[in-house]
Amino acid sequence: AQSVSQHNHHVILSEAASLELGCNYSYGGTVNLFWYVQYPGQHLQLLLKYFSGDPLVKGIKGFEAEFIKSKFSFNLRKPSVQWSDTAEYFCALYRGSARQLTFGSGTQLTVLP
Amino acid sequence: DGGITQSPKYLFRKEGQNVTLSCEQNLNHDAMYWYRQDPGQGLRLIYYSQIVNDFQKGDIAEGYSVSREKKESFPLTVTSAQKNPTAFYLCASKPGLQGEPQHFGDGTRLSIL
Repeated sequence: AQSVSQHNHHVILSEAASLELGCNYSYGGTVNLFWYVQYPGQHLQLLLKYFSGDPLVKGIKGFEAEFIKSKFSFNLRKPSVQWSDTAEYFCALYRGSARQLTFGSGTQLTVLP
Repeated sequence: DGGITQSPKYLFRKEGQNVTLSCEQNLNHDAMYWYRQDPGQGLRLIYYSQIVNDFQKGDIAEGYSVSREKKESFPLTVTSAQKNPTAFYLCASKPGLQGEPQHFGDGTRLSIL
């Protein structure tokens, strides 16, 4: 069975601090990986995605993520967070053979002004 | 503008009643999904449909039913057999191309009176 683990349930940072949210998955085949963000009162939005190629992918709003196959990880990073980054972040794994998207449990990020 | 419309935004149900949540998309997407979001558990897949008149159970299908009579519509019925229906329900859709990201609606919050 595939699973996605986000070990940080709640992260609190001050503005301008650097961010790294962990995401690990368990599946040995070809994967497509996504990070979604859910701002308060809004719908889930795609931050970035990895299909193949360059393991460092850049998304919207200055976010990036690095796919490390040997570690089964796809951590999300941002060098300097803003108050407006306060949201819940979800890592997700798509396995084409199952045609399903499996989500992690989410990480609530609170950025203090 | 193309998008996914979920209605209503808030829904209240008495115990023992069935209730149907609406999901409509005008993105011409082939696949549609229903997720349930609970605090600390991320998104869990209830049902999904790859094409019209076909759907499959997700991880937590018990107590739910769906239909896919039209490409644009994928209503979810929460039946009285669902013992803990209070949750936030999200509908999503995606094109048929493998790995393309899912697009999400704004969600419906269901509460039991």
